[in-house]
Amino acid sequence: GESVGLHLPTLSVQEGDNSIINCAYSNSASDYFIWYKQESGKGPQFIIDIRSNMDKRQGQRVTVLLNKTVKHLSLQIAATQPGDSAVYFCAEVTSGTYKYIFGTGTRLKVLA
Amino acid sequence: GAGVSQSPSNKVTEKGKDVELRCDPISGHTALYWYRQSLGQGLEFLIYFQGNSAPDKSGLPSDRFSAERTGGSVSTLTIQRTQQEDSAVYLCASSSKGLSRGYTFGSGTRLTVV
Repeated sequence: GESVGLHLPTLSVQEGDNSIINCAYSNSASDYFIWYKQESGKGPQFIIDIRSNMDKRQGQRVTVLLNKTVKHLSLQIAATQPGDSAVYFCAEVTSGTYKYIFGTGTRLKVLA
Repeated sequence: GAGVSQSPSNKVTEKGKDVELRCDPISGHTALYWYRQSLGQGLEFLIYFQGNSAPDKSGLPSDRFSAERTGGSVSTLTIQRTQQEDSAVYLCASSSKGLSRGYTFGSGTRLTVV
């Protein structure tokens, strides 16, 4: 299930199940979005991106969905594995600007 | 280099001492960013460099924090008279012009003020 505490919200899923991590972005002018994965003790790493002229993009076991009407981004991970345990951040940017805006992050815990 | 390199990876310092954190970005990346991440929290923007100049330093928490970048490459984040609330992971990131495919982050410096 999903819970929000004093720190990052946590999503716990069984190994082998699909995971869906959600993000509400802030700027309707944002036209490029990225999902990052941050493992313990490491910096965030690029997973997948999507431009605003698309509503879906698939990678290897990951899919990003973009709903511009409600400013919502989601990351779907198929057949979640223990190695997927990490904190996931969404990031948005508007072309011509210099700085990404990061979401608050979601911790994904994969249960054996 | 192949990635963004930060040093030291860990730093323990006494309250009141000054610390310097170093970031070596990807060669050719003109943009460089510093972020702070407290335990279990999200990413807090500190400062942005384009070349050697810092057009946005709005995230620096106080005048105890400063940063510089030389030769369009290495950057140093300095925290003077450290306080316990400065304890966090300090992440550096760099990107090419246009921000395509986002930032490349270093592994961070974990700062502990005791």
